[in-house]
Amino acid sequence: GAVVSQHPSWVICKSGTSVKIECRSLDFQATTMFWYRQFPKQSLMLMATSNEGSKATYEQGVEKDKFLINHASLTLSTLTVTSAHPEDSSFYICSALRLAGELNEQFFGPGTRLTVL
Amino acid sequence: GQNIDQPTEMTATEGAIVQINCTYQTSGFNGLFWYQQHAGEAPTFLSYNVLDGLEEKGRFSSFLSRSKGYSYLLLKELQMKDSASYLCAVLDSNYQLIWGAGTKLIIKP
Repeated sequence: GAVVSQHPSWVICKSGTSVKIECRSLDFQATTMFWYRQFPKQSLMLMATSNEGSKATYEQGVEKDKFLINHASLTLSTLTVTSAHPEDSSFYICSALRLAGELNEQFFGPGTRLTVL
Repeated sequence: GQNIDQPTEMTATEGAIVQINCTYQTSGFNGLFWYQQHAGEAPTFLSYNVLDGLEEKGRFSSFLSRSKGYSYLLLKELQMKDSASYLCAVLDSNYQLIWGAGTKLIIKP
């Protein structure tokens, strides 16, 4: 199957700092990538849909000025958590959509565990 | 509104068969995904159905009925490593993924 990578896999930062998470589709081009957040023992929560070359679409309740998304190329999307606070500590997961007719598939990155002190 | 329903938790015995159901009401339909997620890890893709019928892939099979807004994931010859959460998700008309809350499957010896 296709591969999606995330970097870093885990990060610890101080409150008030910004953290950038990268999501790359390694062997296919992804016009659309998704960013999710998952708190312990809870399901994935979609934060935003990232489309190459255009502004991301944010889900209701997600602050677009706090969670900056850039999808500058067909293989890279970045999520920047600005002025991070302890409540932003979570597991952030990206995915990339590979559209191929009836074989549409979504591939997930391994996730980034963010801890804000 | 858009909604995906699946049972919260199921228990099954090693070696047995279990069926996890998923019903959905969404604005448009471009396919239904099943994912497996072990605790602390990202989900892994299991199956994708866009046409009615049964798709078999080894011990796992997935069924879809678009007219009924219904899918199920069938797991055969259960193994202890199958203990995980199983997530159902539908791709709507805007290619947004609508997620179910997941079914926690517990396998007992």
